[in-house]
Amino acid sequence: GQQLNQSPQSMFIQEGEDVSMNCTSSSIFNTWLWYKQDPGEGPVLLIALYKAGELTSNGRLTAQFGITRKDSFLNISASIPSDVGIYFCAGSFGNQFYFGTGTSLTVIP
Amino acid sequence: EPEVTQTPSHQVTQMGQEVILRCVPISNHLYFYWYRQILGQKVEFLVSFYNNEISEKSEIFDDQFSVERPDGSNFTLKIRSTKLEDSAMYFCASRNGRMGQPQHFGDGTRLSIL
Repeated sequence: GQQLNQSPQSMFIQEGEDVSMNCTSSSIFNTWLWYKQDPGEGPVLLIALYKAGELTSNGRLTAQFGITRKDSFLNISASIPSDVGIYFCAGSFGNQFYFGTGTSLTVIP
Repeated sequence: EPEVTQTPSHQVTQMGQEVILRCVPISNHLYFYWYRQILGQKVEFLVSFYNNEISEKSEIFDDQFSVERPDGSNFTLKIRSTKLEDSAMYFCASRNGRMGQPQHFGDGTRLSIL
């Protein structure tokens, strides 16, 4: 199957710091998605991107669809304790969705 | 806001037994999915379902797996003869008919094989 490389694998940051994570693929996608997963729950959609170069914000979150269509990044500004969780990127081409390996975020108050 | 619901939240089954995981997708959605997440690992695609048939499946989705939409609301995943390595979280997702529209996930069923 498709491989999406997500980095970093984990992050430990102080509350108030900004966070950046990214996802790269060897294949192009038509859609990039970013999800957050809390323990014991399903992934929850944060941001969806539909066009190369698109930059979209959702509150303190900003994500971009890379020009090459093979990458995307997610930024979180001014992190707060409830940002803790695992963040997954997902790429879609056609009807199938491929998930990245996840970035585990820990926010230290 | 409508949501995807999954039952049971936790299923414990003896190895070799059959198990059925149930999902009620969002009512106006047309595409349905099952994913698996082994503890501490990424979410893995199993199968997608559209128009009452499987549209795509991964190499994980072998002959021991099957899916069904027995009525207008439920979407089930059956594992025929469970193995220890089937222990994982199983997530159902659905989305509407427009290409590229994101999926909405249920909270998952934790399957534990003893």
